[in-house]
Amino acid sequence: DQQVKQNSPSLSVQEGRISILNCDYTNSMFDYFLWYKKYPAEGPTFLISISSIKDKNEDGRFTVFLNKSAKHLSLHIVPSQPGDSAVYFCAAWGSSNTGKLIFGQGTTLQVKP
Amino acid sequence: EAGVAQSPRYKIIEKRQSVAFWCNPISGHATLYWYQQILGQGPKLLIQFQNNGVVDDSQLPKDRFSAERLKGVDSTLKIQPAKLEDSAVYLCASSPSYRNEQFFGPGTRLTVL
Repeated sequence: DQQVKQNSPSLSVQEGRISILNCDYTNSMFDYFLWYKKYPAEGPTFLISISSIKDKNEDGRFTVFLNKSAKHLSLHIVPSQPGDSAVYFCAAWGSSNTGKLIFGQGTTLQVKP
Repeated sequence: EAGVAQSPRYKIIEKRQSVAFWCNPISGHATLYWYQQILGQGPKLLIQFQNNGVVDDSQLPKDRFSAERLKGVDSTLKIQPAKLEDSAVYLCASSPSYRNEQFFGPGTRLTVL
């Protein structure tokens, strides 16, 4: 049962353009969502998060949008840079309060110079 | 501040052999997580410790996997005996407590032949 889904395995954009990574979830009890970025041979690193009481959170070039009615969130990167090329994971804190993260499958972003 | 340390970084074993992974979390972090990441999938939580007590091990295959966190600091994850499907990256993460940002180590890539 895949509770967090990233349906696009890969995305390729040109440097300077916008990258949009999408994520869907099925469990309406999720109340906090996070995006992690992963480079090869490294562990995931936290990028940005959003609480379910908000619909937008912005941090520099990164903005996360949450649409609770559609159970959908997206990560926007503007402008995209070659150093942004990595695997991006969407994750949600599970409905329990243990801090367990439920991850999506990941989307590989390639930003071309 | 030192990050999460893991060793070894790579391990190749034959099926039915045993293997152990070690994790040293960030100093002062009470919560420690072990995740399994199979190629093409997102990380999946195997076990979560709060200090030296187990909080969640619902997805740990207990017939072959075991983990401990003695003295509430370092942790080891063991697989005995290994199966082909255990080939994955094993990630350790730590956080100050529940539902805080998790910091990941670089992972151990296990190949079972």
